[in-house]
Amino acid sequence: AQSVSQHNHHVILSEAASLELGCNYSYGGTVNLFWYVQYPGQHLQLLLKYFSGDPLVKGIKGFEAEFIKSKFSFNLRKPSVQWSDTAEYFCAVNSNNNAGNMLTFGGGTRLMVKP
Amino acid sequence: ETGVTQSPTHLIKTRGQQVTLRCSSQSGHNTVSWYQQALGQGPQFIFQYYREEENGRGNFPPRFSGLQFPNYSSELNVNALELDDSALYLCASSWEGLAGIGDTQYFGPGTRLTVL
Repeated sequence: AQSVSQHNHHVILSEAASLELGCNYSYGGTVNLFWYVQYPGQHLQLLLKYFSGDPLVKGIKGFEAEFIKSKFSFNLRKPSVQWSDTAEYFCAVNSNNNAGNMLTFGGGTRLMVKP
Repeated sequence: ETGVTQSPTHLIKTRGQQVTLRCSSQSGHNTVSWYQQALGQGPQFIFQYYREEENGRGNFPPRFSGLQFPNYSSELNVNALELDDSALYLCASSWEGLAGIGDTQYFGPGTRLTVL
């Protein structure tokens, strides 16, 4: 069974600090990788995704993520965070296994950015 | 283009009761997936519906069941509610073509279910 680990459960940063959130997955087959964000009081929104091609993907609001196949990792980065980035971030993996095209999510990282 | 919508927003039930949650998929999408998000955790896959049939199921008991209608909207039914069923239930829609890994799933705002 596939699984996703997000090692940082809570992160507190000051504005303009750099951000890196870790995500590791366990699955040997072909996968799609996603980062979703949940702002306070809002629904899950897609931040960025990797299906194939360039392993460095750029998403909305200045976020990017790098897929490193050998490390089974898909870490999220942003060079300079803003107060408005305060949210919960979820890494997810999608594979077409016997359970259909299910998304397996990590436990989430709650980011607080201090103004 | 309308996004994924869910109803109701909040629901309070007592143990043993039954509940039905509803989801309208985003226009152009033909697949609906349901997830349960317990407090402080990531969403967990319940099941997926494609062409009105269950297309995959996570580790949830049979008292969790669903339907998909010809217009691609969907229902999640939970029988014999338990206290642990209290959670945010998320619906996601996507476009699924032929066999292969599915496309991006877009989420609705969720239904917050409280079981007393």
